[in-house]
Amino acid sequence: GENVEQHPSTLSVQEGDSAVIKCTYSDSASNYFPWYKQELGKGPQLIIDIRSNVGEKKDQRIAVTLNKTAKHFSLHITETQPEDSAVYFCAASIGYSTLTFGKGTMLLVSP
Amino acid sequence: GAVVSQHPSWVICKSGTSVKIECRSLDFQATTMFWYRQFPKQSLMLMATSNEGSKATYEQGVEKDKFLINHASLTLSTLTVTSAHPEDSSFYICSAREPRDSYEQYFGPGTRLTVT
Repeated sequence: GENVEQHPSTLSVQEGDSAVIKCTYSDSASNYFPWYKQELGKGPQLIIDIRSNVGEKKDQRIAVTLNKTAKHFSLHITETQPEDSAVYFCAASIGYSTLTFGKGTMLLVSP
Repeated sequence: GAVVSQHPSWVICKSGTSVKIECRSLDFQATTMFWYRQFPKQSLMLMATSNEGSKATYEQGVEKDKFLINHASLTLSTLTVTSAHPEDSSFYICSAREPRDSYEQYFGPGTRLTVT
């Protein structure tokens, strides 16, 4: 089955800096890659996603890039703010199949 | 749009009792709903996939007789933890997917279950 590796497990940045979280997947048939933000005690919130027919997608301060050849995708957050502090999960799926999640990255943004 | 709710948000029960958790899609119809379990500082573990009007598909290692899932309508799925034990204490989260051509899953806020 699919395996998703996520790095780093913890990321500390200063407010205003950029943050990058990377994920790799094992199944070349995977074609959907969402990113979720989870705050303490809450459910995951979909923040951005990308399909395999696109190499990059951007939404304000958040962007996701996908390299199908290398089977990795990354989340980029620019101009980080303290409210960006949370756990971020990447995931992968083949179409409508179930999502396989990475282990998560705790992002800490210091003021 | 795409709002999913869960009830209750937290519950404490005694060992041996059963607990029901509801998951509702508030502004869309969900043909498919998913139930996850999450331990502290860990990732989400898929327990089962439920499709409206049919039996749930459980992941390997998940006891179907212990975690009863019912998806009776396009907006409601329930998870019943039967004969709960302390090791069942966890954060249970549901998600729902719209029936249109969409891969997105929208998650509920989660239910914290504590079994004493």
